[in-house]
Amino acid sequence: GAVVSQHPSWVICKSGTSVKIECRSLDFQATTMFWYRQFPKQSLMLMATSNEGSKATYEQGVEKDKFLINHASLTLSTLTVTSAHPEDSSFYICSARVLVSGAVSYEQYFGPGTRLTVT
Amino acid sequence: DAKTTQPTSMDCAEGRAANLPCNHSTISGNEYVYWYRQIHSQGPQYIIHGLKNNETNEMASLIITEDRKSSTLILPHATLRDTAVYYCIVRSVYNQGGKLIFGQGTELSVKP
Repeated sequence: GAVVSQHPSWVICKSGTSVKIECRSLDFQATTMFWYRQFPKQSLMLMATSNEGSKATYEQGVEKDKFLINHASLTLSTLTVTSAHPEDSSFYICSARVLVSGAVSYEQYFGPGTRLTVT
Repeated sequence: DAKTTQPTSMDCAEGRAANLPCNHSTISGNEYVYWYRQIHSQGPQYIIHGLKNNETNEMASLIITEDRKSSTLILPHATLRDTAVYYCIVRSVYNQGGKLIFGQGTELSVKP
């Protein structure tokens, strides 16, 4: 089946530093990847849509200069949290949309998530 | 995409069927009903989706009412590992690049 991995699975960083989270589709190509954030006891909130080779589209209220997204290949997207602060501590989850030859599949598969703690 | 309404929480006895309802009264003709679940501290997992016919796979069954205004996800023999938050999402395949917008979902607790 379609597998999406994230690295790291958890990270602790100091306030003011930047953290990069990777999202990889392991056995399929994904032209589109999505980044979500989830605070404790809350639902997933879509942050941005990332298309391979082009700029990401951010949801309203998400600072694009703070959450840098790069989708340089069909199997890798990265989210960099710049100048992280304690309020950025959250569970970050990516998903990848499966590209089916000859058509666009709308099936999305999710990564296991990355727990970021900013101290 | 149409909004969905789900109960906040439900309990189910292990081995019994879990029936999770979802209301989507404003659904339009080109919108599918998707179900995902999220086990604690993991990424969401796709369960099933449908347009108007009932669907079944190895995980669950999806029953959509004839007017499509509501649906029920059925886990036929719930196990403790089915304890999770279940999300019902309505999404147009022609809209918004296929992104999924999650509501609050139903927290299902399967009890021994």
